[in-house]
Amino acid sequence: EPEVTQTPSHQVTQMGQEVILRCVPISNHLYFYWYRQILGQKVEFLVSFYNNEISEKSEIFDDQFSVERPDGSNFTLKIRSTKLEDSAMYFCASKGRLSRETQYFGPGTRLLVL
Amino acid sequence: AQSVTQLGSHVSVSEGALVLLRCNYSSSVPPYLFWYVQYPNQGLQLLLKYTSAATLVKGINGFEAEFKKSETSFHLTKPSAHMSDAAEYFCAVSEVDGNKLVFGAGTILRVKS
Repeated sequence: EPEVTQTPSHQVTQMGQEVILRCVPISNHLYFYWYRQILGQKVEFLVSFYNNEISEKSEIFDDQFSVERPDGSNFTLKIRSTKLEDSAMYFCASKGRLSRETQYFGPGTRLLVL
Repeated sequence: AQSVTQLGSHVSVSEGALVLLRCNYSSSVPPYLFWYVQYPNQGLQLLLKYTSAATLVKGINGFEAEFKKSETSFHLTKPSAHMSDAAEYFCAVSEVDGNKLVFGAGTILRVKS
């Protein structure tokens, strides 16, 4: 069964460093998302991406964040200068072309900023 | 704005007992509603979804949920709990199909033998 994959599974970085989280969505999906979950808190929407552009972003998704689909398979989330409060589990999700289809989630990347 | 409230951050049931996880939503337009499950160290897996068809929705692993517009609820049930059901369960709402999901805080289900 097709699945969304994410790398790395865990990342530890120093405050102020740049990190790139990678996702491989399900092949032929067209809608892509990033969510995050700070420990003990809700899963929060960060950004949605369709047709090579951001379709919606939350207040969390400020200038320090960016997303990119550099090729036909990867979908990346970049945090330019990490802060302590960026420590969280980051989930990628993708959805197919039919509007009622489900968002399929990856296993997540646990980011720890020291 | 959409929101989801899950009553009870932790629910404990005995194996074989009824599972009831509560979810209430707020939405200004007819919603799409979802239940996801997260097992330890895994991603979010869809259990079931309501997309304006039948109000009683059946999902995987014997779970089902009923959409009640008058109560703005979408509670998740399973007649008989199994040890393998122990996980965290998230209710989510989407106002426009294909749009972002807004999640509840999650409910951790513990199943006692």
